[in-house]
Amino acid sequence: GDSVTQMEGPVTLSEEAFLTINCTYTATGYPSLFWYVQYPGEGLQLLLKATKADDKGSNKGFEATYRKETTSFHLEKGSVQVSDSAVYFCALTPNTGTASKLTFGTGTRLQVTL
Amino acid sequence: DAGVIQSPRHEVTEMGQEVTLRCKPISGHNSLFWYRQTMMRGLELLIYFNNNVPIDDSGMPEDRFSAKMPNASFSTLKIQPSEPRDSAVYFCASRWDTYEQYFGPGTRLTVT
Repeated sequence: GDSVTQMEGPVTLSEEAFLTINCTYTATGYPSLFWYVQYPGEGLQLLLKATKADDKGSNKGFEATYRKETTSFHLEKGSVQVSDSAVYFCALTPNTGTASKLTFGTGTRLQVTL
Repeated sequence: DAGVIQSPRHEVTEMGQEVTLRCKPISGHNSLFWYRQTMMRGLELLIYFNNNVPIDDSGMPEDRFSAKMPNASFSTLKIQPSEPRDSAVYFCASRWDTYEQYFGPGTRLTVT
């Protein structure tokens, strides 16, 4: 079945450091890929998405590129802020119509310090 | 747009009691998802509906859990009887067609 593997956390960075959170997936066909973010005490919010190979999703300074050849969708940000501290989830959904569901990774906690 | 609404936001109950969690999806959305989040098991999909019909309930832990969606604007997740291991944050999410899921703020359930 479909699966998503994320790097183990927590990731601790100083403010303005470069961020990479690795995500790889296993799926048949050509899934859509997502990054969700969960701030403390809140539900998940969509951060960015990509629906086909070589697409780059971007939002709030975060970027991720859909790499079919390496089955990866790594999240990057050039300069993190304290306000980026949250848990980040990589997810996929097969493009099989309205009955499809999201498969999530285990989440990676990011802690940014001053 | 009020977003996905869940109630209650916090629930504390004793073991053996019935618990009902409620969700109002975003108007116009046709899919609804129930998730459970714990430190040990992460985020788990329990069940999801499309056009009010349950599509996949394979994530429902056992017969103590049941979910209903009587109409497009309301869903419930019931646990009867509740057990301490059911303590978790339960999220509801909704979606229109194949677009992104919108999550509610969650219900934090504590079973003592």
